[in-house]
Amino acid sequence: QSALTQPASVSGSPGQSITISCTGTSSDVGNYNFVSWYQHHPGKAPKLMIYDVSKRPSGVSNRISGSKSGNTASLTISGLQAEDEADYYCCSHAGNSLFWVFGGGTKLTVL
Amino acid sequence: QLQLQESGPGLVKPSETLSLSCTVFGGSISSSDCHWGWIRQPPGKALEWIGSVYYSGSTYYNPSLKSGVTISVDTSKNQFSLKMTSVTAADTAIYYCARRKGFCSAGSCHFDYWGQGILVTVSS
Repeated sequence: QSALTQPASVSGSPGQSITISCTGTSSDVGNYNFVSWYQHHPGKAPKLMIYDVSKRPSGVSNRISGSKSGNTASLTISGLQAEDEADYYCCSHAGNSLFWVFGGGTKLTVL
Repeated sequence: QLQLQESGPGLVKPSETLSLSCTVFGGSISSSDCHWGWIRQPPGKALEWIGSVYYSGSTYYNPSLKSGVTISVDTSKNQFSLKMTSVTAADTAIYYCARRKGFCSAGSCHFDYWGQGILVTVSS
């Protein structure tokens, strides 16, 4: 069982918006603003899309955004494009006991 | 552009030691604001943080993993390594190395660069 809970799959048509949730506990997502999101194409290196809940690294499209409410973080992709089809993982700091926890991953399909 | 590359055997026998290295290209492993970590993904399962090392040699491990995990750093080679003793089939996974940027105590910390991963199968 994953430490953070993500939906197994989401889908959307080109141009639409989708949101992927990442639910943790008051020991990780709810207690720290250190949530990050990664895009992963199998066989390639995971790519950082969002860090510190809502910050975008240089070079990441402004169609990508992140937020958090309580124990749940969210990744929103607007204006879906075919190139967005990938697996997405969330990650949260979990303090000095477990340090880092990940979600089980969400497969995004662009219809 | 920073790049990380994992290397090591793809097949390890049960009860033996898994040894992997990660070479850092395009940057220094001695950066004062970075840690270096290992993360794995068993087939069909979630990513799991194994542990991290600072260039000084300080280490942090996932307490939920069995003992026998050692992460070390070699600044002269710009590399860090993972050793896991007495492996079982449950240790079969894709192993990733990654850079953790920043200090949580300073207000920002996250894994920003990852390697492509290396599949390690534990089987006789």
